Amino acid sequence: KAGVTQTPRYLIKTRGQQVTLSCSPISGHRSVSWYQQTPGQGLQFLFEYFSETQRNKGNFPGRFSGRQFSNSRSEMNVSTLELGDSALYLCASSLLKMADNYGYTFGSGTRLTVV
Amino acid sequence: ELKVEQNPLFLSMQEGKNYTIYCNYSTTSDRLYWYRQDPGKSLESLFVLLSNGAVKQEGRLMASLDTKARLSTLHITAAVHDLSATYFCAVHRYALNFGKGTSLLVTP
Repeated sequence: KAGVTQTPRYLIKTRGQQVTLSCSPISGHRSVSWYQQTPGQGLQFLFEYFSETQRNKGNFPGRFSGRQFSNSRSEMNVSTLELGDSALYLCASSLLKMADNYGYTFGSGTRLTVV
Repeated sequence: ELKVEQNPLFLSMQEGKNYTIYCNYSTTSDRLYWYRQDPGKSLESLFVLLSNGAVKQEGRLMASLDTKARLSTLHITAAVHDLSATYFCAVHRYALNFGKGTSLLVTP
């Protein structure tokens, strides 16, 4: 079955611009989570969506936002980009069920560089 | 605030040797995950540990969970070069809370 698809794979943006990243989860998975990975801060949770509702949110400024559509695809948006937003953004999808061991499957990520 | 500490952060070991990576966490959790990440790649799921005393093995890797001690271990048996990667533990509490990762290098 198809895995978690993230687009685009690479992105270069200028400070002050905004960016939208996309994530298509595994078919049937209704939970989509977003994580930011940087060398300094490691892997940090951004937010989780389930059935179009944000369930949890990490400790990031309001410039970071997201949404989920009825087909479970999710987008995250970062406005007014800063140099420190340069990171690998990872999306994870989950069935959130014991039958699936509550597993989280990660996409290949979007590498964002802010210049 | 949930803290997840992995040690060691860097590990260089010879092929054929055994070693253990430790993952300590600060508050109760219902499940613990181990992931592998190769350079420039995404996270590959290795194990999900759901209960106290859980032990799972896959090839040369074995993971265990002690919820009372808030400790999980990832044991590597007879390491081979292909195991060189960064290994992360993640504790679930509302979301995955990751350790800083253990960068493993297996040398001949």
